[in-house]
Amino acid sequence: EVQLVESGGGLVQPGRSLKLSCLASGFTFSNYGMNWIRQAPGKGLEWVASISSSSSYIYYADTVKGRFTISRDNAKNTLYLQMTSLRSEDTALYYCARGELNWFAYWGQGTLVTVSS
Amino acid sequence: EIVLTQSPTTMAASPGEKVTLTCRASSSVSYMHWYQQRSGASPKLWIYETSKLASGVPNRFSGSGSGTSYSLTINSMETEDAATYYCQQGSSYPPTFGAGTKLELK
Repeated sequence: EVQLVESGGGLVQPGRSLKLSCLASGFTFSNYGMNWIRQAPGKGLEWVASISSSSSYIYYADTVKGRFTISRDNAKNTLYLQMTSLRSEDTALYYCARGELNWFAYWGQGTLVTVSS
Repeated sequence: EIVLTQSPTTMAASPGEKVTLTCRASSSVSYMHWYQQRSGASPKLWIYETSKLASGVPNRFSGSGSGTSYSLTINSMETEDAATYYCQQGSSYPPTFGAGTKLELK
């Protein structure tokens, strides 16, 4: 069974940093592209970043480019999102999702990031 | 960026009623994908590549469309279908989602 378990969320002040993790199991992690997708409270879904299976290709939404860094450790079956210069508009539930061609086949339960002073 | 517009924003349907949700793209896309999100839960892949049902999705659901116009249809509404449905395109970067249609039980 595919499982994606996010962690690392919490309350952080504007301008500070936070690093999210996503531990994958139930599939060969190194074979799949991975993604971060967020959902602000009461709002819709917003794609944040993607990374290919070998980290050769990385893409970001314009809203986070230059502030967020996606990475992965295939030996640890773990996806990361390093977030810096956080803003109030980054407040959201952050999901990791396994990519499948150009859709998102499996989603984790999410980790909540709240940016507030 | 391709903008996806879903309609209606909210609707209510009675058990047994046929339901059609629409997603329109600002530019032509090759496929449309759909996700179901029940209240308090993570999104689930529901339909991929326009018309293929994800594993475990009941066959009362179907998807169709091409170009800039796509739809998700429920042949006969059931209680468990009450949820928000999002369309998503991956034909060009960035991947984008529609704002969602909230489907309620009447």
